[in-house]
Amino acid sequence: GIQVEQSPPDLILQEGANSTLRCNFSDSVNNLQWFHQNPWGQLINLFYIPSGTKQNGRLSATTVATERYSLLYISSSQTTDSGVYFCAVNPYNQGGKLIFGQGTELSVKP
Amino acid sequence: NAGVTQTPKFQVLKTGQSMTLQCAQDMNHEYMSWYRQDPGMGLRLIHYSVGAGITDQGEVPNGYNVSRSTTEDFPLRLLSAAPSQTSVYFCASRNPLGQGNEKLFFGSGTQLSVL
Repeated sequence: GIQVEQSPPDLILQEGANSTLRCNFSDSVNNLQWFHQNPWGQLINLFYIPSGTKQNGRLSATTVATERYSLLYISSSQTTDSGVYFCAVNPYNQGGKLIFGQGTELSVKP
Repeated sequence: NAGVTQTPKFQVLKTGQSMTLQCAQDMNHEYMSWYRQDPGMGLRLIHYSVGAGITDQGEVPNGYNVSRSTTEDFPLRLLSAAPSQTSVYFCASRNPLGQGNEKLFFGSGTQLSVL
């Protein structure tokens, strides 16, 4: 099956710093989504981004489907950005399944 | 809109007991799914459904049953709980493929311990 790899596995930042999280996938996909799981366990959908670039406040995401990767940018990080970031892909011809990467655990220090 | 609602939030079972995790959504989403989350394993798909009366297996279906009699509800049944099923369970829903916005929305999770 498709492999979804995220890097780095964990990251510690000082408040105000910028960061880039990466998601690589091994096969063609219909779409890709980014999620944030906060320290209380809640999973929030950040982006639905099959291709191109989207921005939402301090966060932006870019997917280059032909090269099988996506990037999540966090600018001017805040302590509330802490948690785990997951990317998930819907592989072609797999009936809508969404397969998750292992996540990047981000800790933002004040 | 309540979104995706899961009950219960916490549950402790003894090995061999059965139980049903409830999931309901009020967004008229045709697609619903169940994931389990274990430390170091990310989120793994258990079962999913693309509409009422249609279900299919995900990555880790063994030990779980599902049914989809209505668009709103998608319960997950553990027939004979095992310690290996100790996990956090998430239900999720979205629009069907091809509608242009298939964002997946999650419930708040059920923390299950099997002793």
